[in-house]
Amino acid sequence: QKEVEQNSGPLSVPEGAIASLNCTYSDRGSQSFFWYRQYSGKSPELIMSIYSNGDKEDGRFTAQLNKASQYVSLLIRDSQPSDSATYLCAVKPNTGNQFYFGTGTSLTVIP
Amino acid sequence: DTGVSQNPRHKITKRGQNVTFRCDPISEHNRLYWYRQTLGQGPEFLTYFQNEAQLEKSRLLSDRFSAERPKGSFSTLEIQRTEQGDSAMYLCASSLDTNGYTFGSGTRLTVV
Repeated sequence: QKEVEQNSGPLSVPEGAIASLNCTYSDRGSQSFFWYRQYSGKSPELIMSIYSNGDKEDGRFTAQLNKASQYVSLLIRDSQPSDSATYLCAVKPNTGNQFYFGTGTSLTVIP
Repeated sequence: DTGVSQNPRHKITKRGQNVTFRCDPISEHNRLYWYRQTLGQGPEFLTYFQNEAQLEKSRLLSDRFSAERPKGSFSTLEIQRTEQGDSAMYLCASSLDTNGYTFGSGTRLTVV
């Protein structure tokens, strides 16, 4: 079983719609959760972090965490073509300093 | 602050040759990480430094791989006797704490 699982997609949404990206993780003791955006050929860019159960909003982005279900999600409201990228979920377990990354979900926003 | 800098951006090498990559982290960041990413996969952890001390190494880091951070500033990653399976993007990241990394642009290695 992989540490972090994501649906690889591709996920396509029309411009202006809400994009919903999901991630599950295996280490129940994990405390820190991150979403990175990666454009093709570029390195990952941190867009959201979340540490407590519930929702965290930053502009058009909302991260949701449910530790009981070991589930993290990212909602992108009013999706724009510039949001087209691969979104990586990363989890930091309770011990150690590495992050575990999922394989990423490819998002395409159609104008 | 120009972010995390990695050099070279691209490296093509013949199988069996040695290669060395350099990473300059954000100046005030004491934590430095190396990851490797292949096409269609997420980054995989290789090693972690806190200041000059290498505190964690992945099982992925075979004896052919070595990393240093001699003065707690820049870091180098060396791969000896490269193999085709080493072809990947090598990503360096730095942070001040555990609240998310800043990645560099990466070094893309192609072993032919």
